[in-house]
Amino acid sequence: DSGVTQTPKHLITATGQRVTLRCSPRSGDLSVYWYQQSLDQGLQFLIQYYNGEERAKGNILERFSAQQFPDLHSELNLSSLELGDSALYFCASSARAGEGEKLFFGSGTQLSVL
Amino acid sequence: DQQVKQNSPSLSVQEGRISILNCDYTNSMFDYFLWYKKYPAEGPTFLISISSIKDKNEDGRFTVFLNKSAKHLSLHIVPSQPGDSAVYFCAAKGDSGGSNYKLTFGKGTLLTVNP
Repeated sequence: DSGVTQTPKHLITATGQRVTLRCSPRSGDLSVYWYQQSLDQGLQFLIQYYNGEERAKGNILERFSAQQFPDLHSELNLSSLELGDSALYFCASSARAGEGEKLFFGSGTQLSVL
Repeated sequence: DQQVKQNSPSLSVQEGRISILNCDYTNSMFDYFLWYKKYPAEGPTFLISISSIKDKNEDGRFTVFLNKSAKHLSLHIVPSQPGDSAVYFCAAKGDSGGSNYKLTFGKGTLLTVNP
């Protein structure tokens, strides 16, 4: 158990809908990262938050947004969903913003867009 | 543009033998490299890492080698065990955009260790 909790584990929805994925980092970790893993891709970095502030942005679509709350949990919002958004979404946390090398991953949310 | 490449989608090895997983990268700004292991229905877990100032790092049965001139790293598992069967991701830290906080991952290699 990595200590990172992601909910829900599975999500099935329809095109055009909006969903929210939730992540609780390890106790004491200030940095949260979101990654997307689709069938033919590796883990694609989406976005990073550190202590409530956006720190780095990757290949995140404009239809996607995220935030980190004062209690350090994070949410990834995906809107106007398309079939191609079906993927495994991972959240990871680390103690400090520069400790990207020690990421602890949750077990992921499997999103299926039908 | 795939900056971290794992060209072998899968590898099958006999128990007790050596497993060698390879990774190539294109970005010379990468300064830290990691291997993660992933079992089905679980998130990736950190396995071993190496700084760009070193060429080898060893941790038990796992050794990572870095060849900076060739922009190549490899993970050696000796001896391989059935429990090592998993997807292995190569990852690198640092990018040309100046952000030093994200990891760039390869697509992974599925290792199967046969009893």
